[in-house]
Amino acid sequence: AQKVTQAQTEISVVEKEDVTLDCVYETRDTTYYLFWYKQPPSGELVFLIRRNSFDEQNEISGRYSWNFQKSTSSFNFTITASQVVDSAVYFCALRASGTYKYIFGTGTRLKVLA
Amino acid sequence: GAGVSQSPRYKVAKRGQDVALRCDPISGHVSLFWYQQALGQGPEFLTYFQNEAQLDKSGLPSDRFFAERPEGSVSTLKIQRTQQEDSAVYLCASSDRGGLTLEAFFGQGTRLTVV
Repeated sequence: AQKVTQAQTEISVVEKEDVTLDCVYETRDTTYYLFWYKQPPSGELVFLIRRNSFDEQNEISGRYSWNFQKSTSSFNFTITASQVVDSAVYFCALRASGTYKYIFGTGTRLKVLA
Repeated sequence: GAGVSQSPRYKVAKRGQDVALRCDPISGHVSLFWYQQALGQGPEFLTYFQNEAQLDKSGLPSDRFFAERPEGSVSTLKIQRTQQEDSAVYLCASSDRGGLTLEAFFGQGTRLTVV
């Protein structure tokens, strides 16, 4: 069975603090894809990153960085120097190769306070 | 269009009423998905189209739910005899080239409230 766990329901930080959102996944597939999406109050899911299971290289994009560790089945997301505009619900998702279903976690609500 | 467009944004239905939710995917995208998102939860898969073919409808909760994409572009999700448990946000997404590996782009969703 496939499962994504985001244990942090809600996180509040003060602007300019760094924050890490945790994601732990379960799958028996050897090839799979991991995703992070941002859901602002407007409702749409905004794609942030896709990571292939065979590529464990960490990635940095501006203030965002992702740490993928197959050994612990984790794909954590860090925002450096958080801003109020980062306030949203963030979802981690898993999809096995050759399938099209996303398995989403329950999301982490991030509140960045000015 | 520039992104996935869904209409209406909000829908209030009386219990027992039929509703139809529309999705305009990104132009040229082959794959189209419908997801249901309950309050405080992550989206859950409902159904998947590749062009006009509905390849997977395993996530549809009951036979009151029906989706179509007759010309391989616009899709409609229809819910018959709505019940209170149908209240949720319905998200549509599309992706290119069969959607097997590429990311899906989501619309803003339709928030359905059944009273």
